[in-house]
Amino acid sequence: DTAVSQTPKYLVTQMGNDKSIKCEQNLGHDTMYWYKQDSKKFLKIMFSYNNKELIINETVPNRFSPKSPDKAHLNLHINSLELGDSAVYFCASSQASGGASDTQYFGPGTRLTVL
Amino acid sequence: AQRVTQPEKLLSVFKGAPVELKCNYSYSGSPELFWYVQYSRQRLQLLLRHISRESIKGFTADLNKGETSFHLKKPFAQEEDSAMYYCALIYKYIFGTGTRLKVLA
Repeated sequence: DTAVSQTPKYLVTQMGNDKSIKCEQNLGHDTMYWYKQDSKKFLKIMFSYNNKELIINETVPNRFSPKSPDKAHLNLHINSLELGDSAVYFCASSQASGGASDTQYFGPGTRLTVL
Repeated sequence: AQRVTQPEKLLSVFKGAPVELKCNYSYSGSPELFWYVQYSRQRLQLLLRHISRESIKGFTADLNKGETSFHLKKPFAQEEDSAMYYCALIYKYIFGTGTRLKVLA
């Protein structure tokens, strides 16, 4: 009964390739997020979707494109992968879109390594 | 600028000693602050929220608007508390850089 799941858990690929990471939540939440955690463990918001609509798009290269086919899924597609994209990517979801009681539930993370 | 600062990258304490993980924030509005914890090989999970004024696993955190702080405290550290701790301004999706807590036997 995993609340927020991500696939794959590990992804090793060559520079220049295109890859996707999938995220699904079964909590019935309206909002989903993608975060990037770099090698120094710094966690930074990338995107947020509320009911399939983009509500946050931080300064992220346009090689990164989120896709939300429905409110339970938020996939991350990355084109032309670069060495600097190596990181752990976390998906999260919450009931609303920010606020005092809006706890975010995180997925297990996807460790992307670009060679 | 909105910011969350965790000045310590690593904090090592002995089992049974008190723990204080520091968090300072910069935010012009009314802050909604959370502490998240990431145990080894596990996902981030909510530890506590300032609005709840709760104690989870013996941890407490008080919002001090005068000092713009939300330090996490526990009177007696346990080995199982070893983890990464993130202070977060959830409403603005801003996380601190994290503090790794190591509790030594």
